Amino acid sequence: AQSVTQPDIHITVSEGASLELRCNYSYGATPYLFWYVQSPGQGLQLLLKYFSGDTLVQGIKGFEAEFKRSQSSFNLRKPSVHWSDAAEYFCAVFSGGYNKLIFGAGTRLAVHP
Amino acid sequence: GAGVSQSPSNKVTEKGKDVELRCDPISGHTALYWYRQSLGQGLEFLIYFQGNSAPDKSGLPSDRFSAERTGGSVSTLTIQRTQQEDSAVYLCASSVEALGANVLTFGAGSRLTVL
Repeated sequence: AQSVTQPDIHITVSEGASLELRCNYSYGATPYLFWYVQSPGQGLQLLLKYFSGDTLVQGIKGFEAEFKRSQSSFNLRKPSVHWSDAAEYFCAVFSGGYNKLIFGAGTRLAVHP
Repeated sequence: GAGVSQSPSNKVTEKGKDVELRCDPISGHTALYWYRQSLGQGLEFLIYFQGNSAPDKSGLPSDRFSAERTGGSVSTLTIQRTQQEDSAVYLCASSVEALGANVLTFGAGSRLTVL
């Protein structure tokens, strides 16, 4: 069955530091991959997506992610974190067989000043 | 509308009561999804609609949960005889169609608290 694993439940970084959030997926075919962000009390906002082509995708708010088929990973990165990036981040894979997005458990990011 | 609209934003109810949660998707979006987010948990898929039909109801936790969509637009998620474990944020999302190369746009959610 398709699944998404986000190994880190909580991450704390200092403002200005670099960030990498890990995501591993299990999916037989070429996946459609997404990263969403959820700020407190808000719905989910799409950061970026990978459908095909260039494996390094750029998103909003200075985020990027790299699809690595050999590692079944789609890690999210940002070179310099801002205090406003504190939120929960969800990785997701689209399950074509079931026509639904399958989400990881999320990584909660805290940013220290 | 410009975005996915959900109502109510907050609902407090007593155990055993029925509740209805409403989702108004983006105009023209044929696919509509319901997810549940319990405290400290990820997003649990409940059901999706393509048009008015729901091909996959496998995610509904029990027969107390039901959903309908009329006119290919508004959807209602109904929980009968609510239990405390139903307390969660219920998120609705819509997309142009129910295929992989489409982005789901989410509403702000309906927070349900069952006392």
